[in-house]
Amino acid sequence: KAGVTQTPRYLIKTRGQQVTLSCSPISGHRSVSWYQQTPGQGLQFLFEYFSETQRNKGNFPGRFSGRQFSNSRSEMNVSTLELGDSALYLCASGGLAGETDTQYFGPGTRLTVL
Amino acid sequence: DQQVKQNSPSLSVQEGRISILNCDYTNSMFDYFLWYKKYPAEGPTFLISISSIKDKNEDGRFTVFLNKSAKHLSLHIVPSQPGDSAVYFCAATFGGGADGLTFGKGTHLIIQP
Repeated sequence: KAGVTQTPRYLIKTRGQQVTLSCSPISGHRSVSWYQQTPGQGLQFLFEYFSETQRNKGNFPGRFSGRQFSNSRSEMNVSTLELGDSALYLCASGGLAGETDTQYFGPGTRLTVL
Repeated sequence: DQQVKQNSPSLSVQEGRISILNCDYTNSMFDYFLWYKKYPAEGPTFLISISSIKDKNEDGRFTVFLNKSAKHLSLHIVPSQPGDSAVYFCAATFGGGADGLTFGKGTHLIIQP
């Protein structure tokens, strides 16, 4: 079974630009979560989608948004990029709603903001 | 407010010995705990998990112990192998995972030959 895939793997943007990251979950998984990893803050939860609905959101500004499509694929968008947005963005997929999910991570997208 | 804490940033263990990684949590609502292993520039790889209704879960060389009264869990790796050298993250969640995983800062495990 193929794992979680994320595209692109690396991205360089400049301040003020916007960026869209993509995630394809494991086949059959309906939940997709996004995380940001930085050296200072570690791994932090951004948001979680299930059946195209955002069920929860972490403590991030509104510049961070996402969506999920009917095929469970998800995109994350960051608008008006800041230098501090440079991070590894990880997507994770999980199983059925209502069950305690083990989340399986993709390789991440390394975003550098100049 | 760090709800999941891994107080040892690094740990060095000799090959063949037992590695014990520790994790403490403060949120009593957490009911599911996971350990992930991570190499640089890769996503975390799931290792093992435990539900709050258990106090031990074993999978091959990996065993996780949960002490709910102390709000403490530990990961035991026996025997330690060179390929185990990585950063290990403890994570916790509740309510089926919709609130996301709360991670510790990680412990860098170094296996010495």
